[in-house]
Amino acid sequence: QVLLKESGPGLVKPSETLALTCSVSGDSISGTSYYWAWIRQPPEKEPEWIGSIHLSGSTPYNPSLKSRVAMSMDMPKSQFSLRLSSVTAADTAVYYCARISVRGLGAVDAWGQGNMVIVSS
Amino acid sequence: DIQMTQSPSSLSASVGDRVIITCRASQSISNYLHWYQQKPGKAPKLLIYAASSLQSGVPSRFSGSGSGTDFTLIITSLQPEDFGTYFCHQSYRTPRGTFGPGTKVDLK
Repeated sequence: QVLLKESGPGLVKPSETLALTCSVSGDSISGTSYYWAWIRQPPEKEPEWIGSIHLSGSTPYNPSLKSRVAMSMDMPKSQFSLRLSSVTAADTAVYYCARISVRGLGAVDAWGQGNMVIVSS
Repeated sequence: DIQMTQSPSSLSASVGDRVIITCRASQSISNYLHWYQQKPGKAPKLLIYAASSLQSGVPSRFSGSGSGTDFTLIITSLQPEDFGTYFCHQSYRTPRGTFGPGTKVDLK
């Protein structure tokens, strides 16, 4: 059973860079059957796709966030990371790391517990 | 971008009721449509993938149907643990995607 766990700050100042890491156990992030993703959910709203990363190096990002997003993988540590620059209050949300099944046509079949991030001075 | 709508936005139902939630895409997405259940303070949980495939471990009272632009999630006999918010999610341009606005199911 795959487990994902986010780590990172709970509070970030406006204009700074948010950095989160996802630790994966029970599965290998170097496989080809899955993408690894970041999804966020503002309070009382639906989830929003941030971006995903694959062993192949493909990193499809949400076009609305693309200029501020960078994702990377650390395979020996079984971790992948998100950096979101120039944050504003609109970036306040619960940030989830997740696994996307290629065979499941892109369904998100595993989620982390979530990391609440508040952007405030 | 592909936009997703859901109806109703909320509903009240009793244990044992049949519940139907619909999801519509702004353009054809074939069967790249998935359903999730979310409880307060928890991550979403995958129920149905590829429009009609039941995720492992999910009770058979959940079913999905549809293709193209119109999709349906049916709960045949609502149980107390089924209350929460349900989201549809399209992944037509895999692995990107957009989520519907959600349908909140609560106790009548």
